[in-house]
Amino acid sequence: ETGVTQSPTHLIKTRGQQVTLRCSSQSGHNTVSWYQQALGQGPQFIFQYYREEENGRGNFPPRFSGLQFPNYSSELNVNALELDDSALYLCASSLEQLNSPLHFGNGTRLTVT
Amino acid sequence: AQSVTQPDIHITVSEGASLELRCNYSYGATPYLFWYVQSPGQGLQLLLKYFSGDTLVQGIKGFEAEFKRSQSSFNLRKPSVHWSDAAEYFCAVGADGGSQGNLIFGKGTKLSVKP
Repeated sequence: ETGVTQSPTHLIKTRGQQVTLRCSSQSGHNTVSWYQQALGQGPQFIFQYYREEENGRGNFPPRFSGLQFPNYSSELNVNALELDDSALYLCASSLEQLNSPLHFGNGTRLTVT
Repeated sequence: AQSVTQPDIHITVSEGASLELRCNYSYGATPYLFWYVQSPGQGLQLLLKYFSGDTLVQGIKGFEAEFKRSQSSFNLRKPSVHWSDAAEYFCAVGADGGSQGNLIFGKGTKLSVKP
């Protein structure tokens, strides 16, 4: 069983640039969630995708957007990067049932300078 | 609004000693509760979860947690800590009315283990 994989592991961008982070879901999982974890904080929910559509969103501005593909892999896009976007971005996959646990990847560490 | 509070930012215990990590939540209905562990540079691994039923939940790696509705708590315990348990621990609650993947996390408790 293949786990959740994320790429790249580390990324450095400049303020104002755009970034795309990628996630490959665990085999058989059809739901993907993205989280932002700032240094010293718990993860914060960005959004969730199911059947290629966003079906839940946290308190993040529209410059945070995502995609889910037919093979259930996913992308997180962030436009107009700000310094406060520096964080660990975590992807988690699961089944759609309410009691299906989230399986997290190791994350992408984004640094915005 | 829902929230999760982990009152202890950092805890140090001796190897072999018992452990209890505290978690308090704010939630209107019966919560879905989780404990996750995060090692440095890693993602989060699920230790255990509570949805309903028996209030004492067993998890992986010898951890257990007890749901106490009257105290709005879901404390994590382990009878004998191993050096490999050193990590950061996060308590989380499923967001009310939110999608399945929408969890609200506490700020975490960092566990250090003394030899």
